[in-house]
Amino acid sequence: ETGVTQSPTHLIKTRGQQVTLRCSSQSGHNTVSWYQQALGQGPQFIFQYYREEENGRGNFPPRFSGLQFPNYSSELNVNALELDDSALYLCASSYLGELFFGEGSRLTVL
Amino acid sequence: GENVEQHPSTLSVQEGDSAVIKCTYSDSASNYFPWYKQELGKRPQLIIDIRSNVGEKKDQRIAVTLNKTAKHFSLHITETQPEDSAVYFCAAARDYGGSQGNLIFGKGTKLSVKP
Repeated sequence: ETGVTQSPTHLIKTRGQQVTLRCSSQSGHNTVSWYQQALGQGPQFIFQYYREEENGRGNFPPRFSGLQFPNYSSELNVNALELDDSALYLCASSYLGELFFGEGSRLTVL
Repeated sequence: GENVEQHPSTLSVQEGDSAVIKCTYSDSASNYFPWYKQELGKRPQLIIDIRSNVGEKKDQRIAVTLNKTAKHFSLHITETQPEDSAVYFCAAARDYGGSQGNLIFGKGTKLSVKP
């Protein structure tokens, strides 16, 4: 158990829709990052938040955005969904030099 | 940007044999190299990591070696067991005071251990 929980676990959307994925981590885990894992691939870094500010971003378009809240929860928002956005989205929090992953939210875009 | 190459993509061994997975990275400033095990439908789990100030680290049947000059690192699993079957990912990052959120992952190695 990592103490990182994500919701929802599964969801289905259609092209053009918007989605919000949520993550909750333990107290004191000031850094949260989000990853996209397509089927059969390694996780790809989307962005990272530290104390509610984005402080790193991977090669993802602006329609991927995020928020981090003071209560150690965070959100990943994706606008104008495309078929290729279908993937497992993983949230991870960092504490004392270790990264703790949640179980992920599996998004299917039809 | 950083790029991590991982080989092989699939690996099949007999129970009790050793398994070796290799990764290379491109960013010479990377100094943190974790390995993750991911079972089907589950989250990646950290199994071992190494930082650039050491060349080798062991934890029971698992070991990781790092060659900073050649920019490659390897995972060694000895005495493999069927429960070692999973997908293994290497990753690399610049470690800023304990924050390693920006991991660059390899594409994974599917390890199958046959009883």
